[in-house]
Amino acid sequence: KAGVTQTPRYLIKTRGQQVTLSCSPISGHRSVSWYQQTPGQGLQFLFEYFSETQRNKGNFPGRFSGRQFSNSRSEMNVSTLELGDSALYLCASSYGQVGTGELFFGEGSRLTVL
Amino acid sequence: AQTVTQSQPEMSVQEAETVTLSCTYDTSESDYYLFWYKQPPSRQMILVIRQEAYKQQNATENRFSVNFQKAAKSFSLKISDSQLGDAAMYFCAYKGTGNQFYFGTGTSLTVIP
Repeated sequence: KAGVTQTPRYLIKTRGQQVTLSCSPISGHRSVSWYQQTPGQGLQFLFEYFSETQRNKGNFPGRFSGRQFSNSRSEMNVSTLELGDSALYLCASSYGQVGTGELFFGEGSRLTVL
Repeated sequence: AQTVTQSQPEMSVQEAETVTLSCTYDTSESDYYLFWYKQPPSRQMILVIRQEAYKQQNATENRFSVNFQKAAKSFSLKISDSQLGDAAMYFCAYKGTGNQFYFGTGTSLTVIP
């Protein structure tokens, strides 16, 4: 079974640009979550999608948005990039059921904003 | 909101020795799950061990075990017979009755040969 796939793995943008990151979950998983990982801050929750609906949202500005498609693939978009947006963006998928719901992570997309 | 605290940013251990990573959490829920995830350098994060709060018995997975103290809201990870491959960032995580996970800031573990 293929794991969680994130693309692109690395990207460099300049301030003011926008970026779109993609995540393909494990087959059969209906929940996709996104996290921002920075040194010292750990993983900060961005949002979670389940069956194309945003089910939870973290405390990030509106520049951060996401969506999920009918095949459970998800994208997140960051508009008007700032230097502080430089981070590793992790996607995680799960079956999405209430309960133990283990998360399966992708390798992440490392974004550098210059 | 739930919070997860890992007070040890960095830890080191001699190969074959035992190390304990600390984690505390704050919640008003009675039913929840706790996890330890491992993130090796430049590799994806994987689940090490999980604990259901309703279970009094501490979870174990081979060389990995936890000390779950529900009243103290403490969830430490013990790694026995440490190996070079255990070197990684370790994250403690909490999941309540909802579907959102809360992660600590991580502990970077170095294994000294």
